[in-house]
Amino acid sequence: QKEVEQDPGPLSVPEGAIVSLNCTYSNSAFQYFMWYRQYSRKGPELLMYTYSSGNKEDGRFTAQVDKSSKYISLFIRDSQPSDSATYLCAMRDNTDKLIFGTGTRLQVFP
Amino acid sequence: EAGVVQSPRYKIIEKKQPVAFWCNPISGHNTLYWYLQNLGQGPELLIRYENEEAVDDSQLPKDRFSAERLKGVDSTLKIQPAELGDSAVYLCASSFSQADIQYFGAGTRLSVL
Repeated sequence: QKEVEQDPGPLSVPEGAIVSLNCTYSNSAFQYFMWYRQYSRKGPELLMYTYSSGNKEDGRFTAQVDKSSKYISLFIRDSQPSDSATYLCAMRDNTDKLIFGTGTRLQVFP
Repeated sequence: EAGVVQSPRYKIIEKKQPVAFWCNPISGHNTLYWYLQNLGQGPELLIRYENEEAVDDSQLPKDRFSAERLKGVDSTLKIQPAELGDSAVYLCASSFSQADIQYFGAGTRLSVL
């Protein structure tokens, strides 16, 4: 079993939809949680960074962490075609090593 | 401010040939990482440098892979000889320290024929 599990998708939604992306993890040592966005043939770029359980909002993006359930989510409101990309969850363990999920490919069509 | 720069962007070689990738991190970033990203997978750490010292190379296949970061700035990752299974994207990232946010380059896409 992988330390971080993420549904690979692909996920296809119409413009304006609310998108929910999720990851589960097994390592209780994970303390920092991140979401990266990766466009085709580009490197990952950091979208959201959270430490504690709860919600963190940044514009149309909301990151949610539930440490008791070992579950994290990223919500995208009013999705746009420009949001079409692969979304990678990532977690940092107590050695500061970053562990990534497999990524979920999202397609937002007009 | 320039981001992490990698070259080449694409490389096609025949199996058993050597290949090298170059990375220039963000200015002032002491920590440099090399990741391997297979198709449909997330990045996996190969090696981490703190300045010029390799502090985590446990996932680097040392029989064919080598890396260096002379003078603690630019870094080179080498594969010799390359195998078909090495076809992947090789990503470089950098951060101020190991606990800080990592910034990624665009990667080098390697195809081994």
